[in-house]
Amino acid sequence: GAGVSQTPSNKVTEKGKYVELRCDPISGHTALYWYRQSLGQGPEFLIYFQGTGAADDSGLPNDRFFAVRPEGSVSTLKIQRTERGDSAVYLCASSLTGQGISPLHFGNGTRLTVT
Amino acid sequence: KNEVEQSPQNLTAQEGEFITINCSYSVGISALHWLQQHPGGGIVSLFMLSSGKKKHGRLIATINIQEKHSSLHITASHPRDSAVYICAVDGNTDKLIFGTGTRLQVFP
Repeated sequence: GAGVSQTPSNKVTEKGKYVELRCDPISGHTALYWYRQSLGQGPEFLIYFQGTGAADDSGLPNDRFFAVRPEGSVSTLKIQRTERGDSAVYLCASSLTGQGISPLHFGNGTRLTVT
Repeated sequence: KNEVEQSPQNLTAQEGEFITINCSYSVGISALHWLQQHPGGGIVSLFMLSSGKKKHGRLIATINIQEKHSSLHITASHPRDSAVYICAVDGNTDKLIFGTGTRLQVFP
């Protein structure tokens, strides 16, 4: 596709369940970012991939959160034992190289609701 | 204190008005981004700049590196400009630091 694609667009899950959120970046973009945005707040950094490796995962809030990008394209954000506080919009973005050099392209986000 | 501060938080305008949104930051940066987010929608990158001024249609972005300040201007505003405008800085760490956004409503 032409842009960054995130699936699902909405996810409702029960507390304690496991969820996976998917991001398809723009083809050829080596840099991929996950952000989390709570209501009324700006996005907060979670993790940054350069190719297949996580170059910076310092924003992951705890060990229930994990992300992979095994082939350097699609990325999956995985959340174990979900909690109500995990409810937010999870945004994915990609850029050709890195964000200090090339512009970011955002997906429409996945709205996660934990009940 | 947040590393990126935006003002105002909320802004209403009549169609046709000239609009200015301000962003101040406290860290050294390699680039500053202006982003637009519509309700329920994704984020669109408007500008990425590291110096001077950029213009795209009715939108103008300026940055003063010495003063650590940037402005986003909208000329001849239109109701379709209604959105949240977010300033974000790249503090040489490859993770953007975001402001909390300015919610703009333009009425016909």
